[in-house]
Amino acid sequence: GAGVSQSPRYKVAKRGQDVALRCDPISGHVSLFWYQQALGQGPEFLTYFQNEAQLDKSGLPSDRFFAERPEGSVSTLKIQRTQQEDSAVYLCASSLRGGLVVNEQFFGPGTRLTVL
Amino acid sequence: AQSVTQPDIHITVSEGASLELRCNYSYGATPYLFWYVQSPGQGLQLLLKYFSGDTLVQGIKGFEAEFKRSQSSFNLRKPSVHWSDAAEYFCAVVLSYNTDKLIFGTGTRLQVFP
Repeated sequence: GAGVSQSPRYKVAKRGQDVALRCDPISGHVSLFWYQQALGQGPEFLTYFQNEAQLDKSGLPSDRFFAERPEGSVSTLKIQRTQQEDSAVYLCASSLRGGLVVNEQFFGPGTRLTVL
Repeated sequence: AQSVTQPDIHITVSEGASLELRCNYSYGATPYLFWYVQSPGQGLQLLLKYFSGDTLVQGIKGFEAEFKRSQSSFNLRKPSVHWSDAAEYFCAVVLSYNTDKLIFGTGTRLQVFP
């Protein structure tokens, strides 16, 4: 597609439920990022993939958060046993390549997760 | 602590007025610097970036930003604001090309009155 897409756009979960958020990056983009944006805050880094390799997961807030990108394209962010503090917009971004240069990241529209 | 600071949470300007949004960073070395805009229901869009060279950089939609090393600042400016510029603006940095991960400020919400 022309841009980064995310699904679902909105997700309501009851506390304790598991959720899965999907990101489709721009075709051919090597790098993929997940960010979490709480209400009234700037996005915060969660994790980073280069192709299928998860090179940095230092931002994942707990072991309830898990991300994968098994074929180096589509990525899924999974949150187990959701808590109210997980309510946020989850943003996905992709960039053309990793390596020795800093590349522009293209962002998707986000998934707004509300945990009741 | 290392951080990106946007001291203005909310700014209101009249259409046609000039605009300056402030951004300061506190890192030992000069990071790679970015400004993004986020409109309601839309993803983040890159306005401009500074990596090196000329300290005044031009971006899209008539925006520009000036890097001042002595002040650790990267302020965003526009000479004449349009109503469509109303949005949330984020300053961000990348510390290393090894990961490219963006570190964002808390944002400045711009409101434009006709």
